[in-house]
Amino acid sequence: SAVISQKPSRDICQRGTSLTIQCQVDSQVTMMFWYRQQPGQSLTLIATANQGSEATYESGFVIDKFPISRPNLTFSTLTVSNMSPEDSSIYLCSAAVGEETQYFGPGTRLLVL
Amino acid sequence: AQRVTQPEKLLSVFKGAPVELKCNYSYSGSPELFWYVQYSRQRLQLLLRHISRESIKGFTADLNKGETSFHLKKPFAQEEDSAMYYCALRQEGNMLTFGGGTRLMVKP
Repeated sequence: SAVISQKPSRDICQRGTSLTIQCQVDSQVTMMFWYRQQPGQSLTLIATANQGSEATYESGFVIDKFPISRPNLTFSTLTVSNMSPEDSSIYLCSAAVGEETQYFGPGTRLLVL
Repeated sequence: AQRVTQPEKLLSVFKGAPVELKCNYSYSGSPELFWYVQYSRQRLQLLLRHISRESIKGFTADLNKGETSFHLKKPFAQEEDSAMYYCALRQEGNMLTFGGGTRLMVKP
């Protein structure tokens, strides 16, 4: 299994600003993902974070709004840019080795005022 | 396109009663399905996966391709089973599509 940590655990931000969320895995993994969980809703995949190359975004999500980095096999960041209140959500990182089970981080709870 | 549907947002049962959390899916390929659980103030964690055909914490789930369902069952619910349950479908590239989730409340 993989243990995943996220920073920050929560934040309150002003509209128009940006926040970078960090995801750290305790072992090397091949796959890392970022999800969003809006209030009262289920998880929606934002993108697959690819090591050493650009992330692969799902429909409805774009790099300018959610830039993602993955410099190595254990670390990734998601930035929520030019935030608005609609970006208030829980952002979750997950990781897996190949086709193995995905493990999830504790989430980052974001409130945009 | 793939889709996972959990028709019940909330399911409330008494302790000792049977539980069935429904999950239906649509997917053109060969499905691989999971149940994830999130207890209060804890992270999302895997409960079981259909290919394992195992029972975890008394829960079982059988993939029914004819009915495109993967319902989660437990014969006797316990109070500690109270949580959010998510059904998820894995597609190529290990990406997961989640259902809307069902909150299970087990009353004493």
